[in-house]
Amino acid sequence: DTGVSQDPRHKITKRGQNVTFRCDPISEHNRLYWYRQTLGQGPEFLTYFQNEAQLEKSRLLSDRFSAERPKGSFSTLEIQRTEQGDSAMYLCASSQNTAGGPGGTQYFGPGTRLTVL
Amino acid sequence: AQSVSQHNHHVILSEAASLELGCNYSYGGTVNLFWYVQYPGQHLQLLLKYFSGDPLVKGIKGFEAEFIKSKFSFNLRKPSVQWSDTAEYFCAVKGSGNTGKLIFGQGTTLQVKP
Repeated sequence: DTGVSQDPRHKITKRGQNVTFRCDPISEHNRLYWYRQTLGQGPEFLTYFQNEAQLEKSRLLSDRFSAERPKGSFSTLEIQRTEQGDSAMYLCASSQNTAGGPGGTQYFGPGTRLTVL
Repeated sequence: AQSVSQHNHHVILSEAASLELGCNYSYGGTVNLFWYVQYPGQHLQLLLKYFSGDPLVKGIKGFEAEFIKSKFSFNLRKPSVQWSDTAEYFCAVKGSGNTGKLIFGQGTTLQVKP
């Protein structure tokens, strides 16, 4: 399977702890996206990268959240000092974007479900 | 503010019934439009997309959607649903420029009774 993969699939943590999630995109894709989805809602955009550059961040991405894509391949999303309101499904997607193009189709991974106790 | 509104939160149909799911968006500028589907226990996957050209787009599994610019709408249709279409459906929009940000609606849960 050469789709988007995410690790771990489930994470339970206590309030105040730090957590880190990993996303491996489809190998030839240059863009990588993070979204958050809560129950009964559609995914909400958090941030995205083109290669290793972080091009856009949502205001949802507070200073407790940080994302990296150091070599332009996999990405990590870290949440520091977790709060119960951070409980959600964290989705990663990737796409292949060509210069000046509208941006390719985003392919989604299975998500990491975070529960903060 | 940019937003997507899906009119129906939960739809229940019998097999062979016709389906139409509403989607309206608010976005200042030219848009690209998408419908994604999430089958139980599976990832989000693309059903169809509109970038430009013919406003009636066809997707996988017999789905189609029509972009009506004057109404800011992109409704999803299928003439005859099957039990296997039971899933959650999400409409999404992004600006047609180089931005990668997708804005999703809240989703519609479709339940098809056999």
